[in-house]
Amino acid sequence: GAGVSQSPSNKVTEKGKDVELRCDPISGHTALYWYRQRLGQGLEFLIYFQGNSAPDKSGLPSDRFSAERTGESVSTLTIQRTQQEDSAVYLCASNNAPGTTPPVFGPGTRLTVT
Amino acid sequence: KNEVEQSPQNLTAQEGEFITINCSYSVGISALHWLQQHPGGGIVSLFMLSSGKKKHGRLIATINIQEKHSSLHITASHPRDSAVYICAAPSYGGSQGNLIFGKGTKLSVKP
Repeated sequence: GAGVSQSPSNKVTEKGKDVELRCDPISGHTALYWYRQRLGQGLEFLIYFQGNSAPDKSGLPSDRFSAERTGESVSTLTIQRTQQEDSAVYLCASNNAPGTTPPVFGPGTRLTVT
Repeated sequence: KNEVEQSPQNLTAQEGEFITINCSYSVGISALHWLQQHPGGGIVSLFMLSSGKKKHGRLIATINIQEKHSSLHITASHPRDSAVYICAAPSYGGSQGNLIFGKGTKLSVKP
């Protein structure tokens, strides 16, 4: 597609439920990143996929968070047993040749845990 | 792990003023990013630079690799430039991998 797309754009869920967020990167982009932005806060790194390499999961805040990527396409971020502090905008970005091209960001998924 | 500091945190300017936003980082890198986050939340990459200076329209980004410092300048600022400007650097130095972000500079340009 022309850009990075994310779905859903908004998600409201009850505390304790599981949620799945989806990211469709730009076709051909080998690198994919997930970030989180809490209200009024800066961007926090969550996880980074690069080609067939093992993902860098160092930013995942707890074992309730996991992410998968199928080849060089779609990625899903799963949050189990959601907590109110998980409320944030979850942003996905992708690029090709990391280090030589800037990342392209998706519009984000706004997650609200009630 | 890299630490990225931005200043100022907030900036109010009158239309037409020259704007400077500063960014410093702690671990040597070979590429630094400047991003713009619109009031609606969308994020756009403005620059990725590894040395010297880059210019795009009224925006100019400079970097001094030895001093671990970068600046973003806006000439002839306009109300539509109002946004949060964020610098970001690779977490572990170099140019690849995940990015560490500054806290952002919220710019408001008054007509």
